[in-house]
Amino acid sequence: SAVISQKPSRDICQRGTSLTIQCQVDSQVTMMFWYRQQPGQSLTLIATANQGSEATYESGFVIDKFPISRPNLTFSTLTVSNMSPEDSSIYLCSVELRGGKFSGANVLTFGAGSRLTVL
Amino acid sequence: AQTVTQSQPEMSVQEAETVTLSCTYDTSESDYYLFWYKQPPSRQMILVIRQEAYKQQNATENRFSVNFQKAAKSFSLKISDSQLGDAAMYFCATQGGSEKLVFGKGTKLTVNP
Repeated sequence: SAVISQKPSRDICQRGTSLTIQCQVDSQVTMMFWYRQQPGQSLTLIATANQGSEATYESGFVIDKFPISRPNLTFSTLTVSNMSPEDSSIYLCSVELRGGKFSGANVLTFGAGSRLTVL
Repeated sequence: AQTVTQSQPEMSVQEAETVTLSCTYDTSESDYYLFWYKQPPSRQMILVIRQEAYKQQNATENRFSVNFQKAAKSFSLKISDSQLGDAAMYFCATQGGSEKLVFGKGTKLTVNP
């Protein structure tokens, strides 16, 4: 199974600024996923990041607002641009879990998340 | 399209007792998976249990078991002998075919000593 490290774990940001969240995986993975969890809400997929290609964004999310980098098979970043209070959320990185009792596709393991508060 | 509904925003249970968390779903896929994820206060999401829709036998992982009623599109999670460490948000999720993983809104479980 993969170990995912995310940073920052939390941050307080000013309106209009941008923040980049880093996600490091201890093994090579094909796809990495970025989710948003707004207060009291479920997880919503922002985009899927493949190494060597543009990220694929879900409906309601655009590259200008959430640019993603995927420079190699173990690392990805998500930037939240021009932040507003509505962007206050937990942002989670995830990868497919391989091996172990839950081996197989479509089984995700998550990082601990990055809690952003925008003032 | 897929949807997941968790009708219990909050639940509580006494330590050592049993609690059942409800989940209903809808999908047009014939082959799909169902999941229960646990998110403790530390926020690390953990997969608790997985069910393949084509399997009639209910999945079990130690104290965690599911009641999968395919015709009713119901997928409840039973936690036996509840422990303080079971306190968390629990998310039901489904994924089928080429569809993305879809989560319910979660149920916050409190375990009382």
